[in-house]
This record gives sequence, structure tokens and C-alpha cells, in this order.
Amino acid sequence: GAGVSQSPRYKVAKRGQDVALRCDPISGHVSLFWYQQALGQGPEFLTYFQNEAQLDKSGLPSDRFFAERPEGSVSTLKIQRTQQEDSAVYLCASSHSVGVRNQPQHFGDGTRLSIL
Amino acid sequence: GQNIDQPTEMTATEGAIVQINCTYQTSGFNGLFWYQQHAGEAPTFLSYNVLDGLEEKGRFSSFLSRSKGYSYLLLKELQMKDSASYLCAGRDSGNTPLVFGKGTRLSVIA
Repeated sequence: GAGVSQSPRYKVAKRGQDVALRCDPISGHVSLFWYQQALGQGPEFLTYFQNEAQLDKSGLPSDRFFAERPEGSVSTLKIQRTQQEDSAVYLCASSHSVGVRNQPQHFGDGTRLSIL
Repeated sequence: GQNIDQPTEMTATEGAIVQINCTYQTSGFNGLFWYQQHAGEAPTFLSYNVLDGLEEKGRFSSFLSRSKGYSYLLLKELQMKDSASYLCAGRDSGNTPLVFGKGTRLSVIA
């Protein structure tokens, strides 16, 4: 498709379950970013990739969060042993290339995660 | 790191002009972005400034003053569909992650 695609759109899980969120970036986009957005707040950075390399994961809130992009295209954000505070919208964004100064990030619609 | 501040809420009348301000503090600087986000939808890119001055795109304009750490988004001829959250975001360097403000929720009233 033309834009960033995320699935599932909504996810409800019980506390303690593992979840996996998928992001399919715009074709050819080198950089891929994951953000977490709480209700009424701006997105907060989690981690980002350049091709398959994870360059920064400093925003991941705990070691229960793990992200991968094994072939430099689709990425998966995995959350193990989910907690209620993990409830949020998880946004994925991609951008065209490294070193091009004004490349904006294009966002997907996000996955709304609710932990019961 | 960066710190981004913007007002929480604003209200304006249909057909009017509104200015949404954003101040930032950065260790490095490689651009100031504005995004629009309707409830339950993805943030949509509006504008980008890396040099001082005004960038105009139709009804939307964005201004940057690097010396003052200040930007604003100007929306003209407001329409009801402009009711949304407007996110100011800064970037430290290269193509690194964006640091977002909390967003300004704009309500356009008749």
C-alpha cells in the first residue's frame, strides 16, 4: 500500500500475556521508528531502525519490550508479560533515507493496546 | 535531549486565523516539525523548518526562530475539519527520532 500499515488495529490482552504488534513501512523507506502515545499526550520514542539495524532502543520502558526488523522491512514490537501501564497507542513511522535533512516521518494509524 | 512546550488547548472561530506556539530546548538541532492528528488517527505531516523564517503551504504556515527556540503554526481561514491536535516535534540530528510536545488540541467553533 501507499502508507505505513500497522496491525492489529486494536488489541485487547489480559495482564501477563505476550503481544506482538506489526508494522509494514512504506516501501523503500530505510528508517523505521516506534512510538508510544498515551491518551492526550504526544508520541514518545521507543526505538528505531535503519534497515535491519536497531540503532537506538533507549526509549523502551523495560526489558519486557523487544523490537526487531530482521529483513529491513517489516518490524515487530513485542511486549512480554503485559502490564496495565502498557495500555496505549503504539505508532510506527517510516522515513525515506538517512542523511536527507528534511525527510518527514510518515505514521501508521497505530495499534490501540488495552491490557485488562 | 530536547524539551518541547506548547499550549494544551485552544479554541478559534470558523473562518478566523489561529497561531499555535511552540518553544523548544535542544542539545542539537536538525529541524522543527508540525503534525496534525485527528482523534484515533495517525499524525499527518504538515510542515518542517530548519532555517529561520516562514514556510507557507496553502492555509498553513510555520515559522522558526532558532535563536529564540521558538516556532509557531499559523492556520488561516479555519474550517471545522481543522479541529484536531497539533503536534510540535524537534529533531536533534540526522534522521533521528522526533521528540514531541504534548500537542495542542484545537477546537474550531461556528
